[in-house]
Amino acid sequence: DTGVSQDPRHKITKRGQNVTFRCDPISEHNRLYWYRQTLGQGPEFLTYFQNEAQLEKSRLLSDRFSAERPKGSFSTLEIQRTEQGDSAMYLCASSFSGGGYTFGSGTRLTVV
Amino acid sequence: TQLLEQSPQFLSIQEGENLTVYCNSSSVFSSLQWYRQEPGEGPVLLVTVVTGGEVKKLKRLTFQFGDARKDSSLHITAAQPGDTGLYLCAGHGSSNTGKLIFGQGTTLQVKP
Repeated sequence: DTGVSQDPRHKITKRGQNVTFRCDPISEHNRLYWYRQTLGQGPEFLTYFQNEAQLEKSRLLSDRFSAERPKGSFSTLEIQRTEQGDSAMYLCASSFSGGGYTFGSGTRLTVV
Repeated sequence: TQLLEQSPQFLSIQEGENLTVYCNSSSVFSSLQWYRQEPGEGPVLLVTVVTGGEVKKLKRLTFQFGDARKDSSLHITAAQPGDTGLYLCAGHGSSNTGKLIFGQGTTLQVKP
């Protein structure tokens, strides 16, 4: 068990570009979550999947954000036409049903 | 909307001192979790409390869930520099939607 892996760890992009992040959860976990966190604050919920089904999306997730989890394994989070306000740490976590989360190390996005 | 309020937001103490962090809500939570996060890393689960009035101990850390399941506290005895980090409480809503709602966090600095 290698834990939850996120790639890349850091991403610097120009405003208006598209970015995609990947998350590989713990293989036995059926739930996968995406959160966004700014410095010194708690994580904010974005969306979650149970297996391959996206069960809930936050109102924070504008039309520029899309997430997928094909085949219920890894997940991707894409941000189109990035804005400076998108700069944050994007955290992925997985769990087995309602259990405790295991978080990845996050992807730090900087939009310049 | 269920919210979790943590206090204090910042705490700077000397090694050896005791401290308590509070996590409060006006809503009932089916369970509460505490996480610790170091800079540049994802949060790590410390404990889950489920039953009202429950007390759990993890070495020098004592966690308590309020009788009404609306609040929780984390007490650290004889704090050490290695305890430095961001402490987050998080709760599953009463509808058990699967997502966790996080407090804004308490940043703890323990000076040697």
